[in-house]
Amino acid sequence: EVQLVESGGGLMQPGGSLRLSCAASGFTFSTYGMSWVRQAPGKGLECVSTISDSGTTTPYADSVKGRYTISRDNSRNTVYLQLNSLTAEDTAIYYCARARVAGTGSYYMDVWGKGTTVTVSS
Amino acid sequence: EIVLTQSPGTLSLSPGERATLSCRASQSVGSSSLAWYQQKPGQAPRLLISGASSRATGIPDRFSGSGSGTDFTLTISRLEPEDFAVYYCQQYGSSLTFGGGTKVEIK
Repeated sequence: EVQLVESGGGLMQPGGSLRLSCAASGFTFSTYGMSWVRQAPGKGLECVSTISDSGTTTPYADSVKGRYTISRDNSRNTVYLQLNSLTAEDTAIYYCARARVAGTGSYYMDVWGKGTTVTVSS
Repeated sequence: EIVLTQSPGTLSLSPGERATLSCRASQSVGSSSLAWYQQKPGQAPRLLISGASSRATGIPDRFSGSGSGTDFTLTISRLEPEDFAVYYCQQYGSSLTFGGGTKVEIK
């Protein structure tokens, strides 16, 4: 069974840092891109970053550029998202998703984890 | 950046009725690179459609996608109780952006 399990969320102080993890199973992890998509309370979906199978990263959200870093460890079948300089606007559910590359070079997401919640508050 | 506008914001229908959801792009989406997702309360999104019209594995055939260029449509031919949810479109023709969503609620 294809599965993605996120972890690492929690309650954080403004200005803090956090690393989210997503453990993948049931497919050949090293051959797929992976994305992190977030959803603020009561809001829509926002893709924050994608990493290709070969490790090329693409940040999508201007609000996180320079603060978030996506990475992957194919030996552990795990993708990470490092979040720095957190603000209240980073409060969201963070979903890990398997990213399918299209001929355009961009991605859509065909498998999603259940998400991990990040709350930033003093 | 391609901006996706979904309409209506909320669609109130009864089980058995037909649902028609619209997703309009601010510029042409290359290669019909548009996906649709369903999200139920408290759950992660689920891929329904990619390539504007290709159903994902396990998606019932009452869901269909159509369109090209700047205008795309998701149609649910006959609403089942489990179809009441929020639906998002996403373009991947140029970078990646999501629409704001359409909520399909029980009338």
